[in-house]
Amino acid sequence: DTEVTQTPKHLVMGMTNKKSLKCEQHMGHRAMYWYKQKAKKPPELMFVYSYEKLSINESVPSRFSPECPNSSLLNLHLHALQPEDSALYLCASSQVQRSGNTIYFGEGSWLTVV
Amino acid sequence: AQTVTQSQPEMSVQEAETVTLSCTYDTSESDYYLFWYKQPPSRQMILVIRQEAYKQQNATENRFSVNFQKAAKSFSLKISDSQLGDAAMYFCASCHQGAQKLVFGQGTRLTINP
Repeated sequence: DTEVTQTPKHLVMGMTNKKSLKCEQHMGHRAMYWYKQKAKKPPELMFVYSYEKLSINESVPSRFSPECPNSSLLNLHLHALQPEDSALYLCASSQVQRSGNTIYFGEGSWLTVV
Repeated sequence: AQTVTQSQPEMSVQEAETVTLSCTYDTSESDYYLFWYKQPPSRQMILVIRQEAYKQQNATENRFSVNFQKAAKSFSLKISDSQLGDAAMYFCASCHQGAQKLVFGQGTRLTINP
């Protein structure tokens, strides 16, 4: 069983809709991540939060807006998406330490933009 | 910059036999970490095994073991006694110490033949 929980598992939205993906972890991790994965491709990093502050933004379009309300929660707000944004969105978490981080992933949210 | 290369897009093995998945990487860092993740059809990324580059001993986890050749920058995964549940996409990934970004290979799709 995953300790990183993502909701919803599936989401269909129109290009004018506003929706959010949610992620929760209870492992005491202080780093949380959003990855995007297209079919038959590896995950691509989008955002990293460390201690609830945005530490990495991989030049993601502003129609994706991350939010980290507290150390256990991570949201991804979606607005005015394009069909090419349809993908699996993976949330992950890890400890923040200098000795290397094992990143643990959730089950993902399948997003379809119509 | 780090790069990870998986040269085998697809592999297949008979149930109960052994299979080795290849991975090579390139990095200018002296301290880094290497991972194998498994992604079954359910799409959750599951950590299979992790190797610290400063450790000479190859990591093992039950039926899974790695052959870490630091000088050759090679990190192969051996799966012994293959089981039907091992069928998945396998991603090799690297992360240098203190970083929060996993660099993934393109993946190897493993099929288990009964």
